[in-house]
Amino acid sequence: QQQVKQSPQSLIVQKGGISIINCAYENTAFDYFPWYQQFPGKGPALLIAIRPDVSEKKEGRFTISFNKSAKQFSLHIMDSQPGDSATYFCAATTSGSARQLTFGSGTQLTVLP
Amino acid sequence: EAQVTQNPRYLITVTGKKLTVTCSQNMNHEYMSWYRQDPGLGLRQIYYSMNVEVTDKGDVPEGYKVSRKEKRNFPLILESPSPNQTSLYFCASSLMPDLSYEQYFGPGTRLTVT
Repeated sequence: QQQVKQSPQSLIVQKGGISIINCAYENTAFDYFPWYQQFPGKGPALLIAIRPDVSEKKEGRFTISFNKSAKQFSLHIMDSQPGDSATYFCAATTSGSARQLTFGSGTQLTVLP
Repeated sequence: EAQVTQNPRYLITVTGKKLTVTCSQNMNHEYMSWYRQDPGLGLRQIYYSMNVEVTDKGDVPEGYKVSRKEKRNFPLILESPSPNQTSLYFCASSLMPDLSYEQYFGPGTRLTVT
Protein backbone atom coordinates (compact mmCIF):
# COMPACT_ATOMS: atom_id res chain seq x y z
CA GLN A 1 0.00 0.00 0.00
CA GLN A 2 1.59 3.22 -1.18
CA GLN A 3 0.65 5.95 1.26
CA VAL A 4 2.29 8.80 -0.65
CA LYS A 5 1.36 9.16 -4.30
CA GLN A 6 3.64 11.29 -6.47
CA SER A 7 3.10 12.70 -9.94
CA PRO A 8 4.19 13.08 -12.63
CA GLN A 9 6.61 10.21 -13.08
CA SER A 10 8.71 12.32 -15.44
CA LEU A 11 8.80 15.99 -16.33
CA ILE A 12 10.57 17.94 -19.04
CA VAL A 13 10.85 21.69 -18.64
CA GLN A 14 12.61 24.40 -20.59
CA LYS A 15 15.32 26.40 -18.87
CA GLY A 16 13.72 29.27 -16.99
CA GLY A 17 10.38 27.54 -16.67
CA ILE A 18 8.52 26.39 -13.57
CA SER A 19 8.66 22.74 -12.53
CA ILE A 20 5.79 21.45 -10.42
CA ILE A 21 5.70 18.06 -8.72
CA ASN A 22 2.69 16.94 -6.73
CA CYS A 23 2.22 14.52 -3.86
CA ALA A 24 -0.82 13.27 -1.98
CA TYR A 25 -0.86 11.36 1.28
CA GLU A 26 -3.39 9.30 3.16
CA ASN A 27 -2.14 9.04 6.72
CA THR A 28 -3.41 12.02 8.72
CA ALA A 29 -0.79 11.32 11.40
CA PHE A 30 1.97 12.53 9.05
CA ASP A 31 3.33 15.88 10.22
CA TYR A 32 6.67 16.26 8.48
CA PHE A 33 7.01 16.39 4.71
CA PRO A 34 10.52 16.49 3.22
CA TRP A 35 11.58 16.58 -0.39
CA TYR A 36 14.75 14.80 -1.47
CA GLN A 37 16.83 15.45 -4.58
CA GLN A 38 18.83 12.64 -6.13
CA PHE A 39 21.43 13.03 -8.88
CA PRO A 40 22.48 10.00 -10.95
CA GLY A 41 24.90 7.78 -9.05
CA LYS A 42 24.30 9.60 -5.77
CA GLY A 43 22.18 9.09 -2.72
CA PRO A 44 19.15 11.28 -2.04
CA ALA A 45 19.82 14.55 -0.25
CA LEU A 46 17.35 16.67 1.70
CA LEU A 47 16.23 19.65 -0.38
CA ILE A 48 13.49 21.29 1.64
CA ALA A 49 10.87 20.23 4.20
CA ILE A 50 7.62 21.55 5.63
CA ARG A 51 5.37 20.95 8.62
CA PRO A 52 1.59 21.38 8.36
CA ASP A 53 1.45 24.46 10.57
CA VAL A 54 2.40 26.55 7.51
CA SER A 55 0.94 26.51 4.00
CA GLU A 56 4.11 27.45 2.17
CA LYS A 57 7.85 27.36 2.63
CA LYS A 58 10.36 28.93 0.30
CA GLU A 59 14.09 28.40 0.04
CA GLY A 60 15.64 30.18 -2.90
CA ARG A 61 14.03 28.91 -6.10
CA PHE A 62 12.37 25.99 -4.31
CA THR A 63 8.93 26.31 -2.71
CA ILE A 64 6.73 23.75 -0.99
CA SER A 65 3.00 24.41 -1.00
CA PHE A 66 0.95 22.46 1.53
CA ASN A 67 -2.81 21.88 1.59
CA LYS A 68 -3.72 20.09 4.81
CA SER A 69 -7.43 19.71 4.07
CA ALA A 70 -6.73 18.11 0.69
CA LYS A 71 -3.80 16.11 2.08
CA GLN A 72 -1.61 17.32 -0.75
CA PHE A 73 1.73 19.05 -1.04
CA SER A 74 3.77 20.13 -3.99
CA LEU A 75 7.26 21.27 -4.94
CA HIS A 76 7.67 24.26 -7.22
CA ILE A 77 11.03 24.99 -8.82
CA MET A 78 11.11 28.51 -10.19
CA ASP A 79 13.47 29.54 -13.00
CA SER A 80 14.41 25.88 -13.54
CA GLN A 81 18.02 25.28 -14.56
CA PRO A 82 19.74 22.34 -16.30
CA GLY A 83 21.57 21.70 -13.03
CA ASP A 84 18.19 20.97 -11.42
CA SER A 85 17.86 17.87 -13.61
CA ALA A 86 17.54 15.06 -11.08
CA THR A 87 15.03 12.70 -9.52
CA TYR A 88 12.86 14.24 -6.83
CA PHE A 89 11.17 12.28 -4.07
CA CYS A 90 8.52 13.54 -1.73
CA ALA A 91 8.20 11.82 1.63
CA ALA A 92 6.15 11.92 4.80
CA THR A 93 6.54 10.82 8.38
CA THR A 94 5.30 11.41 11.89
CA SER A 95 7.51 13.35 14.28
CA GLY A 96 9.10 11.05 16.81
CA SER A 97 8.76 8.01 14.59
CA ALA A 98 11.88 6.01 13.84
CA ARG A 99 10.21 3.60 11.48
CA GLN A 100 8.01 5.11 8.84
CA LEU A 101 9.52 7.57 6.38
CA THR A 102 7.23 6.90 3.44
CA PHE A 103 8.54 7.96 0.05
CA GLY A 104 6.70 8.77 -3.13
CA SER A 105 7.68 6.92 -6.29
CA GLY A 106 9.88 9.73 -7.61
CA THR A 107 9.81 12.24 -10.47
CA GLN A 108 12.59 12.40 -13.00
CA LEU A 109 13.02 16.07 -13.95
CA THR A 110 14.87 17.10 -17.09
CA VAL A 111 15.51 20.78 -17.68
CA LEU A 112 16.41 21.52 -21.27
CA PRO A 113 19.04 24.20 -21.96
CA GLU B 1 34.23 15.45 5.65
CA ALA B 2 30.95 14.30 7.20
CA GLN B 3 29.67 11.38 5.20
CA VAL B 4 28.04 7.99 4.96
CA THR B 5 30.09 5.43 3.07
CA GLN B 6 28.97 2.13 1.59
CA ASN B 7 30.94 -0.77 0.15
CA PRO B 8 30.90 -2.22 -2.35
CA ARG B 9 29.29 0.24 -4.74
CA TYR B 10 28.48 -2.48 -7.27
CA LEU B 11 28.04 -6.17 -6.70
CA ILE B 12 27.00 -9.05 -8.93
CA THR B 13 26.42 -12.35 -7.21
CA VAL B 14 24.59 -15.63 -7.60
CA THR B 15 21.54 -16.95 -5.82
CA GLY B 16 22.30 -18.29 -2.36
CA LYS B 17 25.79 -16.86 -1.92
CA LYS B 18 25.92 -14.92 1.34
CA LEU B 19 26.99 -11.31 1.08
CA THR B 20 27.46 -8.27 3.30
CA VAL B 21 27.16 -4.62 2.35
CA THR B 22 28.97 -2.37 4.77
CA CYS B 23 27.83 1.06 5.92
CA SER B 24 29.77 3.50 8.02
CA GLN B 25 29.11 7.08 9.19
CA ASN B 26 31.54 9.54 10.77
CA MET B 27 28.99 11.95 12.24
CA ASN B 28 28.38 10.18 15.55
CA HIS B 29 24.75 9.69 14.55
CA GLU B 30 22.54 7.56 16.76
CA TYR B 31 20.14 6.47 14.03
CA MET B 32 20.98 4.39 10.97
CA SER B 33 18.79 2.66 8.44
CA TRP B 34 18.80 0.73 5.20
CA TYR B 35 16.56 1.35 2.20
CA ARG B 36 16.10 -0.29 -1.14
CA GLN B 37 15.16 1.72 -4.21
CA ASP B 38 13.22 0.11 -7.01
CA PRO B 39 11.74 1.78 -10.13
CA GLY B 40 8.25 3.09 -9.50
CA LEU B 41 8.37 2.24 -5.80
CA GLY B 42 10.55 4.98 -4.36
CA LEU B 43 12.63 4.04 -1.33
CA ARG B 44 11.43 1.45 1.14
CA GLN B 45 12.93 0.92 4.56
CA ILE B 46 14.44 -2.50 5.24
CA TYR B 47 15.81 -2.21 8.80
CA TYR B 48 16.72 0.56 11.16
CA SER B 49 18.74 1.01 14.32
CA MET B 50 18.10 3.58 17.03
CA ASN B 51 21.43 2.96 18.73
CA VAL B 52 24.08 0.34 19.39
CA GLU B 53 22.53 -3.12 19.78
CA VAL B 54 19.04 -1.74 19.03
CA THR B 55 17.64 -2.77 15.64
CA ASP B 56 14.15 -3.25 14.26
CA LYS B 57 12.33 -4.17 11.08
CA GLY B 58 11.21 -1.66 8.51
CA ASP B 59 8.67 -2.22 5.76
CA VAL B 60 10.51 -4.90 3.75
CA PRO B 61 12.79 -6.88 6.11
CA GLU B 62 12.33 -10.38 4.65
CA GLY B 63 15.60 -11.92 3.49
CA TYR B 64 17.82 -9.37 5.24
CA LYS B 65 19.71 -9.16 8.52
CA VAL B 66 21.52 -6.30 10.20
CA SER B 67 23.71 -5.72 13.22
CA ARG B 68 24.84 -2.64 15.13
CA LYS B 69 27.80 -3.54 17.28
CA GLU B 70 29.42 -0.13 16.95
CA LYS B 71 27.78 3.25 16.63
CA ARG B 72 29.41 4.07 13.30
CA ASN B 73 28.77 0.79 11.45
CA PHE B 74 25.54 -0.80 10.28
CA PRO B 75 26.14 -3.71 7.87
CA LEU B 76 23.37 -5.26 5.78
CA ILE B 77 23.57 -9.03 5.43
CA LEU B 78 21.88 -11.16 2.79
CA GLU B 79 22.39 -14.74 3.93
CA SER B 80 20.82 -16.36 0.87
CA PRO B 81 20.28 -13.75 -1.82
CA SER B 82 17.56 -14.26 -4.40
CA PRO B 83 16.93 -12.47 -7.73
CA ASN B 84 14.09 -10.42 -6.21
CA GLN B 85 16.70 -8.73 -4.03
CA THR B 86 18.30 -7.20 -7.10
CA SER B 87 18.02 -3.51 -6.28
CA LEU B 88 19.78 -0.27 -5.40
CA TYR B 89 20.50 -0.10 -1.68
CA PHE B 90 21.05 3.00 0.42
CA CYS B 91 22.27 3.36 3.95
CA ALA B 92 21.24 6.49 5.83
CA SER B 93 21.95 8.05 9.19
CA SER B 94 20.58 10.88 11.30
CA LEU B 95 21.50 12.56 14.54
CA MET B 96 18.48 11.31 16.45
CA PRO B 97 16.13 8.32 16.11
CA ASP B 98 13.42 10.55 14.71
CA LEU B 99 12.71 10.61 11.00
CA SER B 100 11.87 14.32 11.14
CA TYR B 101 15.60 14.85 11.53
CA GLU B 102 17.54 15.13 8.28
CA GLN B 103 18.54 11.78 6.86
CA TYR B 104 22.03 11.61 5.34
CA PHE B 105 22.26 8.99 2.61
CA GLY B 106 25.25 7.05 1.38
CA PRO B 107 26.11 6.81 -2.33
CA GLY B 108 24.28 3.52 -2.86
CA THR B 109 25.14 -0.08 -3.64
CA ARG B 110 23.78 -1.59 -6.83
CA LEU B 111 23.25 -5.30 -6.28
CA THR B 112 22.46 -7.82 -9.00
CA VAL B 113 21.55 -11.38 -8.03
CA THR B 114 21.53 -13.89 -10.89
